[in-house]
Amino acid sequence: ETGVTQTPRHLVMGMTNKKSLKCEQHLGHNAMYWYKQSAKKPLELMFVYNFKEQTENNSVPSRFSPECPNSSHLFLHLHTLQPEDSALYLCASSQDLDGTGTTFGSGTRLTVV
Amino acid sequence: QKEVEQDPGPLSVPEGAIVSLNCTYSNSAFQYFMWYRQYSRKGPELLMYTYSSGNKEDGRFTAQVDKSSKYISLFIRDSQPSDSATYLCAMSGPNAGKSTFGDGTTLTVKP
Repeated sequence: ETGVTQTPRHLVMGMTNKKSLKCEQHLGHNAMYWYKQSAKKPLELMFVYNFKEQTENNSVPSRFSPECPNSSHLFLHLHTLQPEDSALYLCASSQDLDGTGTTFGSGTRLTVV
Repeated sequence: QKEVEQDPGPLSVPEGAIVSLNCTYSNSAFQYFMWYRQYSRKGPELLMYTYSSGNKEDGRFTAQVDKSSKYISLFIRDSQPSDSATYLCAMSGPNAGKSTFGDGTTLTVKP
């Protein structure tokens, strides 16, 4: 495996379900990110982790709960989501925090019904 | 007002054309300027980045930054059908880890 791997690729969940998105990076990077990409909107940064410590929480509702057990793995735990949370959730990693070496995964397409 | 405004498109050009993609921004603290390409059903892929003002060339791609005008551009020469994708500009400043993205411009290069 190379780069940034996200699973699952697609997820359909009900509003009362609990699910988790998984991300793994094989690049030896120190920082990992969660982004949300909705139709006709710019990429929205959700969370940033640097050396496993959360350095940014961009006013994300508590129904999204990130977890970073080590520098290679990042999770996004989901519970009681709303239909407007349907989007492409992208994980990314970078060596530094300046944004210049960011590698994205292919994303998880989430649909909340 | 958005911090980053990107020409909305969509843009459709014939193969071989020169393409110009543009973004303006309002935050003078931005120091790093990136261009990403995103194919359908894929995550964004970093194409190029520039630090501060100036030009950077990589093959058929040239990135330009004019900090005095708060304007950045990506030029694609001899465009190919494989260049058809959505192009995203992004910027970050001293408070790194928080890149701000444009909405994206969808480009179609017709054979």
